[in-house]
Amino acid sequence: DAGVTQSPTHLIKTRGQQVTLRCSPISGHKSVSWYQQVLGQGPQFIFQYYEKEERGRGNFPDRFSARQFPNYSSELNVNALLLGDSALYLCASSPYGGVPYEQYFGPGTRLTVT
Amino acid sequence: AQSVTQLDSQVPVFEEAPVELRCNYSSSVSVYLFWYVQYPNQGLQLLLKYLSGSTLVKGINGFEAEFNKSQTSFHLRKPSVHISDTAEYFCAVSEIEAGANNLFFGTGTRLTVIP
Repeated sequence: DAGVTQSPTHLIKTRGQQVTLRCSPISGHKSVSWYQQVLGQGPQFIFQYYEKEERGRGNFPDRFSARQFPNYSSELNVNALLLGDSALYLCASSPYGGVPYEQYFGPGTRLTVT
Repeated sequence: AQSVTQLDSQVPVFEEAPVELRCNYSSSVSVYLFWYVQYPNQGLQLLLKYLSGSTLVKGINGFEAEFNKSQTSFHLRKPSVHISDTAEYFCAVSEIEAGANNLFFGTGTRLTVIP
């Protein structure tokens, strides 16, 4: 079975622009989480969606938003990009919304803001 | 608030030698504990997890970890490392509460296995 897929792989944007990152979970998984990993740091939780509803939100500004579609894929949107938004954005899927179920991570989208 | 401290940012070790990667956490409630590995230019892969029961947890690739509640630690060990174990290792916690669904990661430990 295919794992978690993310697109695009790499992205270069200019300050002030907007970006949309996409994630397709493993077939049958209904929960998608987003994490930001700045170079040299551990991933930081941004959002979790389960059954198309937001179930958790990390300490990120309102410039960050996300949604989940009926097929359980998800998009992460970031508006008014700042240089500090440059990072690897990771998507993880799991069968259900609760933590005990293993989260399977995708390869990430590397965003560079210039 | 929860926090995770990985005490060593870099750990060099010779091939076939044992290794221990240290992780301490802080939380006011009970937690689930995880170790993930990240190979260059890849996402995270779960090595092992502690949810309840036996405090010694065995994972993939010969790794194991021991949960010590009194010391709030969850150190990762392997008796004999291989070149292929060179990677970044992350300890993560999640608080056990209704709706808890996010992982809180440490800053990572880079393990370098020397031939």
